Amino acid sequence: GESVGLHLPTLSVQEGDNSIINCAYSNSASDYFIWYKQESGKGPQFIIDIRSNMDKRQGQRVTVLLNKTVKHLSLQIAATQPGDSAVYFCAENRGSGYSTLTFGKGTMLLVSP
Amino acid sequence: DTAVSQTPKYLVTQMGNDKSIKCEQNLGHDTMYWYKQDSKKFLKIMFSYNNKELIINETVPNRFSPKSPDKAHLNLHINSLELGDSAVYFCASSIGGGTEAFFGQGTRLTVV
Repeated sequence: GESVGLHLPTLSVQEGDNSIINCAYSNSASDYFIWYKQESGKGPQFIIDIRSNMDKRQGQRVTVLLNKTVKHLSLQIAATQPGDSAVYFCAENRGSGYSTLTFGKGTMLLVSP
Repeated sequence: DTAVSQTPKYLVTQMGNDKSIKCEQNLGHDTMYWYKQDSKKFLKIMFSYNNKELIINETVPNRFSPKSPDKAHLNLHINSLELGDSAVYFCASSIGGGTEAFFGQGTRLTVV
């Protein structure tokens, strides 16, 4: 299940389960969203992105859903594997003119064999 | 053939010292960034440079001074280090702003 710990929300799943990681964003003007995966001791790595003119995008074992009405983004990981254990971040592109990615709080995914 | 490389990976130093972190990207990107990640894993943008020009400075203390000698490099110099500067600093690059950013491996700075 999902729990909010002292530091990071954590999602614990069994290997083979499907995982859903959620993210709320704040700026309705944001038009580009990315999910990043950060393994221990490494930098964030791109997983999948989606533009605001779409509500769903699929990759290999991952699907991103975008609900602009409630400003919500989710990452679904199918058949979760121990190697998926990491911290996951959503990031949004916001700001007028020159913009940068703004990261949400991460969610730690723990996958048990 | 690392895309975004930063050195050093670990840096332990005493309060009051001055230190630098170097970053280089070989992706041909025109935009580079410095992010700070705190102990709660929160990633916050510090600076953004586009074609060697400072674009964004997110109210970072002026003890932090980025320098971009060319499009492929963005170094971060920190004066008079404080305990609160302890964090992991990430360099990143992208094509333009607000697009997919590629991150380096991070520099873990510990101020004692």
